[in-house]
Amino acid sequence: EADIYQTPRYLVIGTGKKITLECSQTMGHDKMYWYQQDPGMELHLIHYSYGVNSTEKGDLSSESTVSRIRTEHFPLTLESARPSHTSQYLCASSERLGGPYNEQFFGPGTRLTVL
Amino acid sequence: TQLLEQSPQFLSIQEGENLTVYCNSSSVFSSLQWYRQEPGEGPVLLVTVVTGGEVKKLKRLTFQFGDARKDSSLHITAAQPGDTGLYLCAGVKGANNLFFGTGTRLTVIP
Repeated sequence: EADIYQTPRYLVIGTGKKITLECSQTMGHDKMYWYQQDPGMELHLIHYSYGVNSTEKGDLSSESTVSRIRTEHFPLTLESARPSHTSQYLCASSERLGGPYNEQFFGPGTRLTVL
Repeated sequence: TQLLEQSPQFLSIQEGENLTVYCNSSSVFSSLQWYRQEPGEGPVLLVTVVTGGEVKKLKRLTFQFGDARKDSSLHITAAQPGDTGLYLCAGVKGANNLFFGTGTRLTVIP
């Protein structure tokens, strides 16, 4: 079954730690995205990728970095976590389509708490 | 400044009531999507509207795209507790990126 996975689902860590949030999709989609969302609030795009070796920054400035070495994998890394990074991080993917359709499929999210 | 404003931000109603959620912008979008998100999960796509004035129905949910493709509405008839969640509109603009609205948190009380 085609799907999009995120691990871990929950992460509580101390300030200064390096963390990597994993995201994988089995749908063969070219485009992948990372969003940041505070509880019950709107989504803010922080990174996206058009395909392998492509990464772009989104609308919301973020200290995180991403990589896209394989089509199915789009990890997000924070070199030194701080309490201000506490949030929910959502990964999504979509087919590379022209025109008005850009339906995104979301993973379940990683809820990050930095103490 | 948020590109897409949703209203109301919070809505709490009794089971069986009707409601309408609005998504407004001053920008034109090539399409408009509606997602629902439950606590602890990612958003799930409900519908995409493409043509100005288009109306789509999904069981008790009716979605409409404004004639000028700048706004949209979601109407729920006879709301049920299972409709509870965060409703997000999202506009497609430019190079296929989505711009999400501010969200409407709906609670349906049994």
